[in-house]
Amino acid sequence: GAGVSQSPRYKVAKRGQDVALRCDPISGHVSLFWYQQALGQGPEFLTYFQNEAQLDKSGLPSDRFFAERPEGSVSTLKIQRTQQEDSAVYLCASSQALNYGYTFGSGTRLTVV
Amino acid sequence: ELKVEQNPLFLSMQEGKNYTIYCNYSTTSDRLYWYRQDPGKSLESLFVLLSNGAVKQEGRLMASLDTKARLSTLHITAAVHDLSATYFCAVDMDQGAQKLVFGQGTRLTINP
Repeated sequence: GAGVSQSPRYKVAKRGQDVALRCDPISGHVSLFWYQQALGQGPEFLTYFQNEAQLDKSGLPSDRFFAERPEGSVSTLKIQRTQQEDSAVYLCASSQALNYGYTFGSGTRLTVV
Repeated sequence: ELKVEQNPLFLSMQEGKNYTIYCNYSTTSDRLYWYRQDPGKSLESLFVLLSNGAVKQEGRLMASLDTKARLSTLHITAAVHDLSATYFCAVDMDQGAQKLVFGQGTRLTINP
């Protein structure tokens, strides 16, 4: 597609519920990134993939967070047993190469109640 | 740990005026990015600065990078209302991977 597509756009989860957030990168983009943006803050790095390989997951806040990109295209960020502090906008971005910057998706706003 | 600080965090200005947003970072990096975010929207890439002394301009916005001072500036010339948004700078903490550390953002409001 023309841009990075994320779904759902909004998600309300009850505390303790598992959620899965989807990211469809721009076709042909090798690198895919997940960021978490709390209200009024800048995005914070979670993890990134090059093709299907997860090269860095150092930003994932706990072992309740898990990301995958099994075929090197679509990626899913899964959060198990959601907590209120997980409420944020989750942004996905893809990049075709170094020096190009990212293209961000519109994000998924997760609210845990 | 790489830290990125922007100032000011909030800026209200009148149309037609000039102003500069500053972005300081704490460790060596020669890749810096500027993004714009409108309320409720995602981030739009504005500039990618890849070397010391890099200067890029697009319309009324101009960005520069001084890697020795660990400082980037985003200069706004003759501001117009359409430039109202939040502006983020971000520094690449791992030059092989484009892992970015973002500043807190500068919320810019331009009044007619």
